[in-house]
Amino acid sequence: GQSLEQPSEVTAVEGAIVQINCTYQTSGFYGLSWYQQHDGGAPTFLSYNALDGLEETGRFSSFLSRSDSYGYLLLQELQMKDSASYFCAGQNTGGFKTIFGAGTRLFVKA
Amino acid sequence: DAGVIQSPRHEVTEMGQEVTLRCKPISGHDYLFWYRQTMMRGLELLIYFNNNVPIDDSGMPEDRFSAKMPNASFSTLKIQPSEPRDSAVYFCASGTGTEAFFGQGTRLTVV
Repeated sequence: GQSLEQPSEVTAVEGAIVQINCTYQTSGFYGLSWYQQHDGGAPTFLSYNALDGLEETGRFSSFLSRSDSYGYLLLQELQMKDSASYFCAGQNTGGFKTIFGAGTRLFVKA
Repeated sequence: DAGVIQSPRHEVTEMGQEVTLRCKPISGHDYLFWYRQTMMRGLELLIYFNNNVPIDDSGMPEDRFSAKMPNASFSTLKIQPSEPRDSAVYFCASGTGTEAFFGQGTRLTVV
């Protein structure tokens, strides 16, 4: 089976940097994705890591360490609009079954 | 492309009634996922299809739930009979494997 653990809440100040961690246990792990969801909205894709290392997309970066079964999402130059829930999602080999973590609620304060 | 289209956006039904949720994936995507989201259980994968074939339905909670994908441009999730505990937001998502695009969801309320 698959399970992903991430903190339930994180609070940060506008303009700061925040890191949201995700540890996973999954058989046949293939890759780790990150999604953002605003209240009342649908999850939207942010990034994907299949290989170890850092992937950068604008203000957002994502990191994966397969040996540690660990990844994180890094948000830089935080803006108020970044207040949302962030989900890590794990995929397995052979079918791309995608399982979501419970989500981390990010509060950005002025 | 208009993205993943789900209908209806909201559905209120009485316990025991049949409910059918509909999804039109993005053209060219060969994966389609059905998720259910609640405060208590988060985002749960119910079933997913690859090239219209159901690959894993282990997340379907009970026999009351069924899903079909008769062609590449349409999928349905049916609940029969519905129960109050089925109240949730149901999302359909499509993708090519590593990235999923979500529809706006159907908010189902069973009273």
